[in-house]
Amino acid sequence: GDSVTQMEGPVTLSEEACLTINCTYTATGYPSLFWYVQYPGEGLQLLLKATKADDKGSNKGFEATYRKETTSFHLEKGSVQVSDSAVYFCALSGTGYSTLTFGKGTMLLVSP
Amino acid sequence: SAVISQKPSRDICQRGTSLTIQCQVDSQVTMMFWYRQQPGQSLTLIATANQGSEATYESGFVIDKFPISRPNLTFSTLTVSNMSPEDSSIYLCSVAGNYGYTFGSGTRLTVV
Repeated sequence: GDSVTQMEGPVTLSEEACLTINCTYTATGYPSLFWYVQYPGEGLQLLLKATKADDKGSNKGFEATYRKETTSFHLEKGSVQVSDSAVYFCALSGTGYSTLTFGKGTMLLVSP
Repeated sequence: SAVISQKPSRDICQRGTSLTIQCQVDSQVTMMFWYRQQPGQSLTLIATANQGSEATYESGFVIDKFPISRPNLTFSTLTVSNMSPEDSSIYLCSVAGNYGYTFGSGTRLTVV
């Protein structure tokens, strides 16, 4: 079945550092890929998505490119802020918006 | 994207009792999903709720424990029955649409 593997955390960075959170997937067909963010005590918010190979999703300075050849969707940000501290989930869905399969989540802690 | 109102946001319940969680969506949606997020873990799909038919449960989840109602295209409830401390989790509803998936803010349940 489908699966998502993302790097374990916590990832601890200083403000203005570069961020990369790795995400790889296993799926049949052509899934859609997502990054969700969960701030402390809150629900999940969609951060960005990509629906086909070579698409780049971007939002709030975060980017991720759908790489079919490497089955990856790594999350990147050039300069993180304290307010980016949260748990980040990589997820995929099959064709036609079937159910979401989540990775285990990566906690990001950004210090001033 | 759709806006979901989920309540209660949190509750502390006695073991052996039941809690019903409600999700109201501001537009009609075909597919609604219920997830569980155990402490420090990722999200696990409990069931898919479609209007006019029985919910479809994932492996490890049964209707007697997690009965779901879906009376119309904008509303669903999940009941956690005969609760035990192991049911302490965050429960989230989600809907799928052309924009992707939207999540409710979650219900943080503690069973004592």
